[in-house]
Amino acid sequence: ETGVTQSPTHLIKTRGQQVTLRCSSQSGHNTVSWYQQALGQGPQFIFQYYREEENGRGNFPPRFSGLQFPNYSSELNVNALELDDSALYLCASSSGQGDYGYTFGSGTRLTVV
Amino acid sequence: GENVEQHPSTLSVQEGDSAVIKCTYSDSASNYFPWYKQELGKGPQLIIDIRSNVGEKKDQRIAVTLNKTAKHFSLHITETQPEDSAVYFCAAPVSPGYSTLTFGKGTMLLVSP
Repeated sequence: ETGVTQSPTHLIKTRGQQVTLRCSSQSGHNTVSWYQQALGQGPQFIFQYYREEENGRGNFPPRFSGLQFPNYSSELNVNALELDDSALYLCASSSGQGDYGYTFGSGTRLTVV
Repeated sequence: GENVEQHPSTLSVQEGDSAVIKCTYSDSASNYFPWYKQELGKGPQLIIDIRSNVGEKKDQRIAVTLNKTAKHFSLHITETQPEDSAVYFCAAPVSPGYSTLTFGKGTMLLVSP
């Protein structure tokens, strides 16, 4: 299977809850990055995983965490949800460190009420 | 870290006209400049990119130009078509050699028939 797939496509959560978003990387890609895209804005970098280790993080608090699995699929976890966490969450995979050739998934639209 | 500014925020053109979107960057050591197209309900898709060792790159109706002295790069779309309507993002590496990208705020391009 080619391409990056994300699940779920849409999600509604209540403030204070926890959420897990999932991403299946493109075949052969061992690096995954997560971005948050607020309405009308460009994507903002959350963190990157390479071979199951976090190797870069943007300006996001520790309640944003992630995992990458041996098959290179990954998860984004957000604890103690806040209203401002409402956004489109994008997963992007690439074939290795230093490779700029991102393939983005279609994203998960998270709404916090 | 790198800072990317993008203009205009919206651009309306008639079908067949040309469209130009410009981005400026702050880090003179930046070496990679991609452009992404994001259609409604989809993730960003890479449409063209340029590295700092060339000044221009073309792919059919789209082209990117880079002016390293002025630290700006531009996307040019000729003979626009309604299917070119989308949000376009420019990006640059957070730091040279680092695969994480920082994005501009986007330009909504509307091509009217």
